[in-house]
Amino acid sequence: QKEVEQDPGPLSVPEGAIVSLNCTYSNSAFQYFMWYRQYSRKGPELLMYTYSSGNKEDGRFTAQVDKSSKYISLFIRDSQPSDSATYLCAPVDMGRRALTFGSGTRLQVQP
Amino acid sequence: ETGVTQSPTHLIKTRGQQVTLRCSSQSGHNTVSWYQQALGQGPQFIFQYYREEENGRGNFPPRFSGLQFPNYSSELNVNALELDDSALYLCASSLSTAFQDGYTFGSGTRLTVV
Repeated sequence: QKEVEQDPGPLSVPEGAIVSLNCTYSNSAFQYFMWYRQYSRKGPELLMYTYSSGNKEDGRFTAQVDKSSKYISLFIRDSQPSDSATYLCAPVDMGRRALTFGSGTRLQVQP
Repeated sequence: ETGVTQSPTHLIKTRGQQVTLRCSSQSGHNTVSWYQQALGQGPQFIFQYYREEENGRGNFPPRFSGLQFPNYSSELNVNALELDDSALYLCASSLSTAFQDGYTFGSGTRLTVV
């Protein structure tokens, strides 16, 4: 079983839709939870992160962590075609100083 | 210089050969990590260097090794290449080992082993 599970998609939505991206994880030691976006032929770029349980909002993006159920979510409001990319959740393994990436969800926002 | 640059962008090697991939970090970034991303998968952590010393390692065999230099450049060396080593290799640098500072990734080197 992988430490971080993520539905690979693709997820196709119309422009303006609310998008929900999710991950589950198994390691209770994870404390920081990152979300990265990766465009084709590019490296991942950090969108936002949360520490422990709770919500964090940044513009159209909201990250949510529920440590009791080991569930991580990213919500995108008013989705745009430019949001079309692969979204990777990445809890942090502080012991190994490593990001533990999920397999990524490919999102397509149709104009 | 801003950003993280990696070279070469593409590389084809034969099974059993050795390869060196290079990364130039952002100025002042004393932490560099290397990740392997197989097609359709998320990146997997190989190792991290901080001030030229390895300070974290993932589940990769010893034939994966690295170096970090004082000029913010680094190398990933892979010996005895196997077909499964074919992947995108990503370098990420940061101001420190604190994850809150954010890790800046390069665009990667795509390695194909035939």
